Amino acid sequence: TQLLEQSPQFLSIQEGENLTVYCNSSSVFSSLQWYRQEPGEGPVLLVTVVTGGEVKKLKRLTFQFGDARKDSSLHITAAQPGDTGLYLCAGFKTGANNLFFGTGTRLTVIP
Amino acid sequence: EAGVTQFPSHSVIEKGQTVTLRCDPISGHDNLYWYRRVMGKEIKFLLHFVKESKQDESGMPNNRFLAERTGGTYSTLKVQPAELEDSGVYFCASSQGRSSTGSGETQYFGPGTRLLVL
Repeated sequence: TQLLEQSPQFLSIQEGENLTVYCNSSSVFSSLQWYRQEPGEGPVLLVTVVTGGEVKKLKRLTFQFGDARKDSSLHITAAQPGDTGLYLCAGFKTGANNLFFGTGTRLTVIP
Repeated sequence: EAGVTQFPSHSVIEKGQTVTLRCDPISGHDNLYWYRRVMGKEIKFLLHFVKESKQDESGMPNNRFLAERTGGTYSTLKVQPAELEDSGVYFCASSQGRSSTGSGETQYFGPGTRLLVL
């Protein structure tokens, strides 16, 4: 059973376009994280959202945690080829130490 | 500060053989985690060490997998005997351990070991 569903699985866009990636669950998470993974490397943390409704910005990336803490979104403005990679959402359940990962969204930004 | 390192980066073995993966966490990190991604699936938790003790091994698939962390420093994950379905990428992560439960702490991931069982 997939705890965190990410959509879309694959996304190919032109440089300069905007995009949104979604991470949805029927479960509540104490916090949700977004990672980016490059080929041959491990996931690298981009952001952690903790409070329902929280919005965090990291340059052109905007992350939002759903009010009920069951879902999150990642919005990229004016995508650049350097944004190409695998984006993963992952969450902590209350009191748990391990992360639950989504299946990932593979983004390709075409110059 | 050195990151999490894993060895080997790749391993190709035949079904029935034994493979041992090693993870060196960031120095001073009490928490060490093993995760794996099998083909087409999401990254899944295997187990969690706090220092040398197994805190949670609920994600270990079966008794062919044995993890150790002697002395609370590096960890090994042994698969014996390996089966075809064990193929995948095995990630190690570590965190400092300031939180009483570890929940929510930033985990730093290693580059992974790509295991292929033929």
